[in-house]
Amino acid sequence: DQQVKQNSPSLSVQEGRISILNCDYTNSMFDYFLWYKKYPAEGPTFLISISSIKDKNEDGRFTVFLNKSAKHLSLHIVPSQPGDSAVYFCAALELKTSYDKVIFGPGTSLSVIP
Amino acid sequence: DTGVSQNPRHKITKRGQNVTFRCDPISEHNRLYWYRQTLGQGPEFLTYFQNEAQLEKSRLLSDRFSAERPKGSFSTLEIQRTEQGDSAMYLCASSLAPSNYGYTFGSGTRLTVV
Repeated sequence: DQQVKQNSPSLSVQEGRISILNCDYTNSMFDYFLWYKKYPAEGPTFLISISSIKDKNEDGRFTVFLNKSAKHLSLHIVPSQPGDSAVYFCAALELKTSYDKVIFGPGTSLSVIP
Repeated sequence: DTGVSQNPRHKITKRGQNVTFRCDPISEHNRLYWYRQTLGQGPEFLTYFQNEAQLEKSRLLSDRFSAERPKGSFSTLEIQRTEQGDSAMYLCASSLAPSNYGYTFGSGTRLTVV
């Protein structure tokens, strides 16, 4: 039972254009949604997050949109750069009393073509 | 502090052998997590420590897996009688909770069971 879904395994975008990565979730109890970026042979690194009570969060070239009614979020990268080529994981965070549970989606591999 | 450190980076072992991985979290982080990632999948939760106490274990963590965090500092993950299905990237992460940024991951240990 996959609680966080990323239905596009891969995405190719021309340099300078917008990259849109999509994510769907099933559990309404999540408190935050996060995006991680992963290069080969490295661990995931945090990119941007959004609270479940917000609908948009922006950080430089990265913007995350949240549509709670549709249980859908998306990451927009504008403009896309070749260094953005990586695997992007959508993740959902549930703040618990004992620990913060993070559930990851399967990832989308982004290729930015120069 | 240089972040979360994992050793070794790569491990090749024969089926049936025991292996042990080490994780050194960020020093002020009291929460430590182990995840496993296989090709084409996102990281899957294995276990969680708060200080030295192991508070949560996934069903993925069979009897052949054991994790410790003596004195609430570094952690070890041991796999006994390795099987080919254990081949994966083992990721360690730490956090200072609560955090809406999720975790800080190490670079992982790539295990190959031949």
